[in-house]
Amino acid sequence: SQQGEEDPQALSIQEGENATMNCSYKTSINNLQWYRQNSGRGLVHLILIRSNEREKHSGRLRVTLDTSKKSSSLLITASRAADTASYFCATALSSGSARQLTFGSGTQLTVLP
Amino acid sequence: NAGVMQNPRHLVRRRGQEARLRCSPMKGHSHVYWYRQLPEEGLKFMVYLQKENIIDESGMPKERFSAEFPKEGPSILRIQQVVRGDSAAYFCASSPGTGLVDGYTFGSGTRLTVV
Repeated sequence: SQQGEEDPQALSIQEGENATMNCSYKTSINNLQWYRQNSGRGLVHLILIRSNEREKHSGRLRVTLDTSKKSSSLLITASRAADTASYFCATALSSGSARQLTFGSGTQLTVLP
Repeated sequence: NAGVMQNPRHLVRRRGQEARLRCSPMKGHSHVYWYRQLPEEGLKFMVYLQKENIIDESGMPKERFSAEFPKEGPSILRIQQVVRGDSAAYFCASSPGTGLVDGYTFGSGTRLTVV
């Protein structure tokens, strides 16, 4: 799989439930970022977690990072219909072109009212 | 603050024509990045520019594609002699510095369709 691969590819839940998306990557990273994209729109930055951090919160979002397993998870609590979107993780490498982000293919989240 | 502005939002070109995509970064941002997104896929890095300099173009095809970020005016991504495979959404992002402190700010993209 490519750097920054999300799992599952698609997720459908009821409003009020929690949604968990996972991301795996292959190389050492400087940071990992999660973005959201509504259909036909641009990306919105959600949260950035650095390689020396293990967990970060922002509102209803909780991100974890396990550098030993090269994986991250995004948890959205108490989901709403408006959370329906594609969610992408993106990694910034720890060497070389550190400013270049490598995106996964995304998780399509559908929250049913 | 108007954010990252891209235009046009949609662009239709016939095969062989040229496509010019424009990106105005957020006020105060001097770093610009271009990404391409094919349907149902994630974004793929193309090029990273600072004012008047191309810093990293490792993701950009060697032929037909070029990018610039002049001292004055927007960044331009230029695709010459477009082919159907160039049809995609092209996103621009900007950051004030290295962009490693916080996430990037993306524009709404230009959707290029080659007919």
